[in-house]
Amino acid sequence: KAGVTQTPRYLIKTRGQQVTLSCSPISGHRSVSWYQQTPGQGLQFLFEYFSETQRNKGNFPGRFSGRQFSNSRSEMNVSTLELGDSALYLCASSLAGTSGPTSTDTQYFGPGTRLTVL
Amino acid sequence: ELKVEQNPLFLSMQEGKNYTIYCNYSTTSDRLYWYRQDPGKSLESLFVLLSNGAVKQEGRLMASLDTKARLSTLHITAAVHDLSATYFCAVDPKGNAGNMLTFGGGTRLMVKP
Repeated sequence: KAGVTQTPRYLIKTRGQQVTLSCSPISGHRSVSWYQQTPGQGLQFLFEYFSETQRNKGNFPGRFSGRQFSNSRSEMNVSTLELGDSALYLCASSLAGTSGPTSTDTQYFGPGTRLTVL
Repeated sequence: ELKVEQNPLFLSMQEGKNYTIYCNYSTTSDRLYWYRQDPGKSLESLFVLLSNGAVKQEGRLMASLDTKARLSTLHITAAVHDLSATYFCAVDPKGNAGNMLTFGGGTRLMVKP
């Protein structure tokens, strides 16, 4: 089974620009979550999409947005880029159907997109 | 706000030695994950711990969960160089589907021959 894929793998942008990152989940997975990883702040949750709806949202400004398509693929958009947005952006997918407290459903992470803002 | 703290942040050990990484979290949750990250790579799932007293083992790694103490440990037995990586614990604050993880700061493990 193919893993989570993310495109592009590397991206260089300048301040003020916008960027779109793409994530294809593992086949059959319906939940896609996005995380930002930086040396200073570590791994931080951005948002989660399930069945084309944003189900959970982290504490990030509105410049960060996302969406999910009917095939579960997801995109994340960052507008008006700032230097501090330079990070590794990780996408993770899971089954996340009717899982409950006893479910071993796990998030599987993609390789990430390394974004550099100049 | 859920806080997850790991210690130590950095661990240098000799091959063959044992050590434990600690993960404390601040709010009730019955679901805790351990991940491994190699330099320049993504996160690899190691363990999912779902209930108080849960213990899981894979090779030289053993993870346990004490929900009453809000503490998880990752024990390394007879370390080998291949275990060198950064280890993260993560907690799902909703205790449900595990898709909104709060991560600890990571423990960078270096195993020296």
